[in-house]
Amino acid sequence: EPEVTQTPSHQVTQMGQEVILRCVPISNHLYFYWYRQILGQKVEFLVSFYNNEISEKSEIFDDQFSVERPDGSNFTLKIRSTKLEDSAMYFCASSILPTGRSEKLFFGSGTQLSVL
Amino acid sequence: GQQVMQIPQYQHVQEGEDFTTYCNSSTTLSNIQWYKQRPGGHPVFLIQLVKSGEVKKQKRLTFQFGEAKKNSSLHITATQTTDVGTYFCAGNQGHGSSNTGKLIFGQGTTLQVKP
Repeated sequence: EPEVTQTPSHQVTQMGQEVILRCVPISNHLYFYWYRQILGQKVEFLVSFYNNEISEKSEIFDDQFSVERPDGSNFTLKIRSTKLEDSAMYFCASSILPTGRSEKLFFGSGTQLSVL
Repeated sequence: GQQVMQIPQYQHVQEGEDFTTYCNSSTTLSNIQWYKQRPGGHPVFLIQLVKSGEVKKQKRLTFQFGEAKKNSSLHITATQTTDVGTYFCAGNQGHGSSNTGKLIFGQGTTLQVKP
């Protein structure tokens, strides 16, 4: 079965540093997402992306966050100046159609971000 | 904003016992999805429900969507150790192509099964 791949699997950074989390969505999917999960808590929506622009974003996705699809395959999440509370597992996901049309999400294995 | 509540947070059962998790939304949903996350893993799609009152079965798993499309449940009959994990419901409020893909997840129910 096709997979969403994420790199790195673990990222350790110092507070205030910039990090870029990378994702390769499934090739024929059109909608891309970032979610995060703080240890032991629920999965939280960050942002959805379609047709090279942000479709929707949550309150968590402030000016420190940005997303980009730099080429035909990669989808990245950048955190400009990391804070301690940014420590979480970040999941990339993709879907063929938007979830409002009853489309399931395929999640990657996640990047565990630790901000020290 | 839209909230999705899920109970219980944890459930420990003896292998062979049944298990149910309940999900309630503060708003009417266009559809609801269920995901399973194994320890250390990522959410994996199980099923989606779209119609009011819909019931779907996958082997020992039964999923229901409420008549008002605001609540849902997952019932597992005769649990096995392979059922261990966290089960999340995830609601979608939008409709059709205007929806942008924001799934609101419940807090999850973590199931432990004692052999």
